[in-house]
Amino acid sequence: KNEVEQSPQNLTAQEGEFITINCSYSVGISALHWLQQHPGGGIVSLFMLSSGKKKHGRLIATINIQEKHSSLHITASHPRDSAVYICAARQGAQKLVFGQGTRLTINP
Amino acid sequence: EADIYQTPRYLVIGTGKKITLECSQTMGHDKMYWYQQDPGMELHLIHYSYGVNSTEKGDLSSESTVSRIRTEHFPLTLESARPSHTSQYLCASSSLSTGVTGANVLTFGAGSRLTVL
Repeated sequence: KNEVEQSPQNLTAQEGEFITINCSYSVGISALHWLQQHPGGGIVSLFMLSSGKKKHGRLIATINIQEKHSSLHITASHPRDSAVYICAARQGAQKLVFGQGTRLTINP
Repeated sequence: EADIYQTPRYLVIGTGKKITLECSQTMGHDKMYWYQQDPGMELHLIHYSYGVNSTEKGDLSSESTVSRIRTEHFPLTLESARPSHTSQYLCASSSLSTGVTGANVLTFGAGSRLTVL
């Protein structure tokens, strides 16, 4: 069993739908990252959070430390949101344990 | 604008050649990382550095080596490339500071896609 599990692995939705991607981890963490990887391979860091909730534009990330669970939400989804979303658990100062990624496709 | 740069973006090379993948960042970050990612697979840490003259091997066994002579520069070298080294190599850097989203604490380069024939 992976230390960081994401669900679903693949998600297809229509433009405008509310999207939720889940991340569960089994290790102790100092923070959790949400990353976005586009088809060309480039990775953008979306959020780093260690408690509560953060919001940036249409993206919202939440984390529940007790339940070892984090979610990434996208409101009013758009085809340009299509990408692979990766959660990564930070252990200590340098170690990141990555989930397998969620491939999101938003159809117009 | 501060950023992290990787060169080359794409490289096709023959077996046995020595290659160096360059990574530079202009943010003054102390920590830098090299990750390896096969298509559709997870990222795996192969090397990291806490600062100048500090380098450590990561979780994934790798035949590559790194150096950190300057804060901004973290090159990765393969002395003798083999087809099994074909992969994407991603460089990243991080700092302790946090912004609104905390996202600026971890920054990735665009990646170097290596093909060894």
